[in-house]
Amino acid sequence: EPEVTQTPSHQVTQMGQEVILRCVPISNHLYFYWYRQILGQKVEFLVSFYNNEISEKSEIFDDQFSVERPDGSNFTLKIRSTKLEDSAMYFCASSEFLAGVSSYEQYFGPGTRLTVT
Amino acid sequence: RKEVEQDPGPFNVPEGATVAFNCTYSNSASQSFFWYRQDCRKEPKLLMSVYSSGNEDGRFTAQLNRASQYISLLIRDSKLSDSATYLCVWDAWLGDKLIFGTGTRLQVFP
Repeated sequence: EPEVTQTPSHQVTQMGQEVILRCVPISNHLYFYWYRQILGQKVEFLVSFYNNEISEKSEIFDDQFSVERPDGSNFTLKIRSTKLEDSAMYFCASSEFLAGVSSYEQYFGPGTRLTVT
Repeated sequence: RKEVEQDPGPFNVPEGATVAFNCTYSNSASQSFFWYRQDCRKEPKLLMSVYSSGNEDGRFTAQLNRASQYISLLIRDSKLSDSATYLCVWDAWLGDKLIFGTGTRLQVFP
């Protein structure tokens, strides 16, 4: 069964450093997303991406964040200068449009645990 | 009013029991609804989409009541492996971001 993959599984970085989180969405999916979940809190939307551009972004997704699809398979999230409060689990998700049911079911990768020290 | 409200639980039930979760949402324009399950420190996994007519998948039944703006999930014949947090989720528009509830924790005991 196709699945979303993410690397690394755990990233430890120092405050102020840049990090790049990588995702490989399901191959025939066209919609891509990043979410984050701070420990003990709910999953929060960061950004959605379609047709090589950002469709929507949340207030969390400020100028320190960027996304890119550098080739036909990878989808990356970059945090330019990490802060302590960026410590969280970051999930990538992808979806396709299911015409029969008019639904976009999103499938999540296993996540990258980011720890900023 | 919170976008998605769920009873956090925990619901502690014996194996074989039937358990039901409810969830209310604030946006009457919400398009699609889903139940995800999340195991501790793992990713949300899609359990089922929720359709207007209600739908069933094995031991799981989901219902949507648009007039009252709530969705429900019924689990019959609970298994130990059903122990997880169940997340009520909706999106405002097709392909849009998902809005997550805080989840309801279920613990099934032998």
